[in-house]
Amino acid sequence: QVQLQESGPGLVKPSETLSLTCSVSGRIGTRSYYWVWIRQSPGKGLEWIASIYYKGSTYYNPSLDSRVTISADTSKKQVLLNLRSVTAADTGVYYCARQQLTSLYYYYMDVWGRGTAVIVSS
Amino acid sequence: DIQMTQSPFSLSASVGDRVTITCRASQSIGSHLHWYQQKPGRAPKILIFAASNLESGVPSRFSGSGSGTEFILTISSLQPEDFATYYCQQSYTNPALTFGGGTTVDIK
Repeated sequence: QVQLQESGPGLVKPSETLSLTCSVSGRIGTRSYYWVWIRQSPGKGLEWIASIYYKGSTYYNPSLDSRVTISADTSKKQVLLNLRSVTAADTGVYYCARQQLTSLYYYYMDVWGRGTAVIVSS
Repeated sequence: DIQMTQSPFSLSASVGDRVTITCRASQSIGSHLHWYQQKPGRAPKILIFAASNLESGVPSRFSGSGSGTEFILTISSLQPEDFATYYCQQSYTNPALTFGGGTTVDIK
């Protein structure tokens, strides 16, 4: 079973760039998978940030589009997220997930990392 | 954008109770609706995909129904380990995804 593990700085200053890494125990450049970043603000619900298809296409939440970049390093088996110009509103837990395609042509997130906590504060 | 609305926001129930949670989409999404369970300090876990399909390893007391704009998650007999927050999520506009606001199930 594939496993995902997120890592990041923990604490970031306002206006700086947050860089997160999702390390994947299996291969990421095969099959019809999307690799997804999702976040959860303290006491709040889940928010989709960005996705990258196994072929390399990228997709972003319009509310974050101008500040976010998702990429993948297939040789290192990592999915990367950069979030620029962070503010306190970006504080939360950031999850990496794999989204798989079923035989019925539905996509859902079947594997999640444990998440990495990020605090934006000076 | 497709908005997902869950109800109730929270509920209190006892072990053995039958529990239902509703998720409504702002427009028809077919069966592109999935349910996740999240316990405090843990990542979400998939329960039901494509509205009514039980994920492998998930107890059969969980079931999902609905299509179009209204969906229901049912727990037939609530167990102690089921106290958690439940989220619905649409993938009709995949890869753009949206989640419901969550429903917290706690002990009465």
